[in-house]
Amino acid sequence: AQRVTQPEKLLSVFKGAPVELKCNYSYSGSPELFWYVQYSRQRLQLLLRHISRESIKGFTADLNKGETSFHLKKPFAQEEDSAMYYCALSGWGGGADGLTFGKGTHLIIQP
Amino acid sequence: GAGVSQSPRYKVTKRGQDVALRCDPISGHVSLYWYRQALGQGPEFLTYFNYEAQQDKSGLPNDRFSAERPEGSISTLTIQRTEQRDSAMYRCASSLGVEETQYFGPGTRLLVL
Repeated sequence: AQRVTQPEKLLSVFKGAPVELKCNYSYSGSPELFWYVQYSRQRLQLLLRHISRESIKGFTADLNKGETSFHLKKPFAQEEDSAMYYCALSGWGGGADGLTFGKGTHLIIQP
Repeated sequence: GAGVSQSPRYKVTKRGQDVALRCDPISGHVSLYWYRQALGQGPEFLTYFNYEAQQDKSGLPNDRFSAERPEGSISTLTIQRTEQRDSAMYRCASSLGVEETQYFGPGTRLLVL
């Protein structure tokens, strides 16, 4: 069975400080990993996905297959980064085609 | 262009009633997904369609839940004989294809009294 674990329910950092949101996964095949974000009163939207290797809004994430992790990082946090962040996995072709989400981490950036 | 839309945005119903939740995907999107999100949890996959064909309903919790997409566009998720434990946010997403990015709608918040 595939599973995504986000160990932190809440993460609070000061503006300008580095941010790291942790994500670990369990999947027997070769997964595709995603980070979704939900800003206040907005819908869930894609922040980045592993396969595209893009940096969105200064965020990056590296897939570490040895540690089965896909941590989200940003060197200097901004107040507008405050939001709910979800890590998600898809095992296309090897499991259900829907996304498996973690429980989410609420990121608060303090001024 | 217009994003994924869902209606109603909020639904309050009494236990035992049937409810129908609607999802209107982005035009041209082949794949459509339904998720359920309980408070404090991440979205949980329920089912998905490619065109009008339901490809995977492994996530539907029991036979009170059903979904259809008869013309390959709008989809309806129906919950029969609702129970209090069905209270949650129901999210719909669509994508150009199975391995493409999923775009989410605003969700329908269901409260069963």
